[in-house]
Amino acid sequence: EVQLEESGGDLVQPGGSLRLSCAVSGLTFSNHWMNWVRQGPGKGLEWVANIKPDGSQKYYVDSLEGRFTISRDNARNSVYLQMNSLRVEDTAVYYCTSVSLQTPGDYWGQGTMVTVSS
Amino acid sequence: DAVMTQSPLSLPVTLGQPASISCRSSQSLVRSDGNTYLNWFHQRPGQSPRRLIYQVSNRDSGVPDRFSGSGSGTDFTLKISRVEAEDIGVYYCMQGTHWPHTFGGGTKVEIK
Repeated sequence: EVQLEESGGDLVQPGGSLRLSCAVSGLTFSNHWMNWVRQGPGKGLEWVANIKPDGSQKYYVDSLEGRFTISRDNARNSVYLQMNSLRVEDTAVYYCTSVSLQTPGDYWGQGTMVTVSS
Repeated sequence: DAVMTQSPLSLPVTLGQPASISCRSSQSLVRSDGNTYLNWFHQRPGQSPRRLIYQVSNRDSGVPDRFSGSGSGTDFTLKISRVEAEDIGVYYCMQGTHWPHTFGGGTKVEIK
């Protein structure tokens, strides 16, 4: 069974930082692109970032303005999202996900809540 | 960025009747490899999303055959042949052709 488990969500003040982690089991992690997708309260889904299996390519939604960094550790079957200079509008549930664009199969965690508020 | 526009925003449906959701992209979703990376996701209240369709018309494992996807270029459609109670929730299209990947705003399906 494939499992993705996010952690690291918290309440943080504007301008603060957080590091989200996602531990993956049940699939060959080093073969998969990994993504972070977020969903603000009562809002739709927003793709945030993704990273190639070997970590050599990373892509981000433009609105982040360089504040977030995605990384991975294939030895630990984990993917991370370092979030700096957090803003109120970053408040959301952050999902870790692996979605194959060319074959069946998508896997999602339960999400971790990030609240940015003073 | 490829902007994905869904319609309608809300779709009241009758159980057993068909339903259809439209998704339009601001750019062609045909990639240089000839494939079109248009996906459909379903999210039930309080749950994580789950993909139904990939590459326009291919159903993911375990997805009932009452769900079908069609379209090309910039215009795509998700159809449910006979709506069941478990189909309520929000449906999202998502393009994986261009960076960054982008989702549509969602269509909320509810039972009349």
